[in-house]
Formats: sequence, structure tokens, C-alpha cells
Amino acid sequence: QITLKESGLTLVRPTQTLTLTCTCSGFSLTTTPVAVGWVRQPPGKALEWLGLIYWNDEKNYGPSLSNRLTLTRDTSKNQVVLVMTNMDPVDTGTYYCVKARGNFNGDAFDKWGQGTLVTVSS
Amino acid sequence: QSVLTQPPSVSAAPGQKVTLSCSGSTSTIGENYVSWYHQLPGAAPKLLIYDNEKRPSGINSRFSGSKSGTSATLAITGLQTGDEGDYYCGTWDSSLRAVVFGGGTRLTVL
Repeated sequence: QITLKESGLTLVRPTQTLTLTCTCSGFSLTTTPVAVGWVRQPPGKALEWLGLIYWNDEKNYGPSLSNRLTLTRDTSKNQVVLVMTNMDPVDTGTYYCVKARGNFNGDAFDKWGQGTLVTVSS
Repeated sequence: QSVLTQPPSVSAAPGQKVTLSCSGSTSTIGENYVSWYHQLPGAAPKLLIYDNEKRPSGINSRFSGSKSGTSATLAITGLQTGDEGDYYCGTWDSSLRAVVFGGGTRLTVL
């Protein structure tokens, strides 16, 4: 059974850095083809893709956040880490860890974590 | 404003058929596969359709997807109250080099 679970501090002050960890089980991050990444959703709004890290450690970032976002992975723990700098209240929302089928760019997200609500406030 | 355009809301009666639209461009739907997701209130989205028309294991055949040109459609037959919620389409934008989603359609089963 494939599961994804998000963890990390969920209250962040403006200008601070957000760090979230996605712990994956039921599959390996190095399986071909697999990609794991993040999608966020501001309260009452639509989904926004943030980025993906692929089985070969290649990364793809959304253009609007590429200068603030870094994805890394720890294959020994089967975890993907999101680091987003210079947080702002507009970054408030639910952050979902997602697994993509990974066959090509834009392949569907077939598994989602439960999501974690991140609040940016002073 | 989302790259993909979806009607904000749709409603239909139980047992009826409804179609949800998703409009894009050449660089999005026109040359890439479309996926569809269903999100219940307070829950994570769930994949319904991938590669324009394929259903993951466990997804009811009442859900079907299609694509024509720069638009895609999700059809739901035999509507049930459990089908209520938000539906999102998604695809790759070859120009932005990013995954893009629609703004979502809220389905109400009257």
C-alpha cells in the first residue's frame, strides 16, 4: 500500500523558511519511473503545483516559485524535503505531498498525502 | 487566474449525467495529456482520470474522460450525492514547463 505523509512546522513567521518532509512508503524514490513532489492549495482556492523530484534526482520547479523553492531527497529514509524561503502570508495554505506516475512531464498524480496546513503569520 | 479554464459550478439531479469542461491552449491541452481529480471538502484530491481517458484501478466506470483539440471533458453518469465536491483538471504546459491546473468546478447534486 502506497502512502505519503507530510510533516514539519506548520506555523511560520513572514520572511522565515518553511521546511516540510514527505515520508513515502510502499514504493522506492529510485523506482523507474517515479516522481514525488508538492502541490499547495490556499484556503478556498485552486491547486498550485510547486515542483517534482524524479527517480533519477532530476528536479522540476514551478516558474513562479523556482527562486524560493528547493527539493531534495533522502533515499535511505525514502523522504522528500521541501524548503521554501522568504515565506509570506500569501503562502498560507494546505501543502500536499504527491506521487506522480512519472512517465513524462505532467504525468498524473496518482497518490496524495493527507496534506498539512501551513500558516504564515506574525 | 488559472491557465486552464473550468466553469466555477455545475449542478444536476441524482441519476442524471453531467459533463465538466476544461479549456486550455495549444501548449497545454493541445499537446499534452489531461488528468482529472475529485476533492471532497477537507480531503486531499483523488485521481479520477489520467492520459485523457484512462481510469485508475478502483475508479467507477461512471467516470469517463475525453479530449478534443485544446479542450477536455469529464463526464459523470448516474450521479450520486457522493459525487459532490470540487473537480480539477490538470496537464503540462509546454511553454511554462510546469504542471498547471484549472480553477476547479464545484459539482452540486441537487
